[in-house]
Amino acid sequence: DAKTTQPPSMDCAEGRAANLPCNHSTISGNEYVYWYRQIHSQGPQYIIHGLKNNETNEMASLIITEDRKSSTLILPHATLRDTAVYYCIVRGNNDMRFGAGTRLTVKP
Amino acid sequence: EAGVAQSPRYKIIEKRQSVAFWCNPISGHATLYWYQQILGQGPKLLIQFQNNGVVDDSQLPKDRFSAERLKGVDSTLKIQPAKLEDSAVYLCASSLGRDRTYEQYFGPGTRLTVT
Repeated sequence: DAKTTQPPSMDCAEGRAANLPCNHSTISGNEYVYWYRQIHSQGPQYIIHGLKNNETNEMASLIITEDRKSSTLILPHATLRDTAVYYCIVRGNNDMRFGAGTRLTVKP
Repeated sequence: EAGVAQSPRYKIIEKRQSVAFWCNPISGHATLYWYQQILGQGPKLLIQFQNNGVVDDSQLPKDRFSAERLKGVDSTLKIQPAKLEDSAVYLCASSLGRDRTYEQYFGPGTRLTVT
């Protein structure tokens, strides 16, 4: 599976959009981009996934560049409860490999 | 819909003792995963079951770790004997199937401390 690169930490003001970037320059054609988040002392929570089209659900939007080498997870109106570690995962084979993720802190 | 259940939530044991963790996946989910998460790191897959068969245990330290899913539903993960470096959160996850299009749903985890 392709490797991902994420910034180790980011801050966001409450009520503003949080845009979390992820680079996956070695992604291949059949690999999906998955996003999970992990709030302190909880198990990872599924957010969204996509192959090449942009995706939106009740939690977030996923924007994948046309060359698929990078993606952005957008939380449209961040709240304090969105403070968590966000993991970007490229999934080709059936298993998922988590990196260190981005620690997002939403501030009042 | 009930989520993935795990027990116990916390466990403290001394090194060389044994410990077992239990997982009940989401109803109807054929695939079950056990992950180990060491403090400050992302989860690492230990073993993957499809129904009651093992499909990937390449990352499982088989000299001390074992897992089973006898009836294709609940699963147990055992460590015997435990080492200090086994201190971690053990996460169970389940999904409808193994395919890359199926998202995995995680339980709350069991925090193991080995002293």
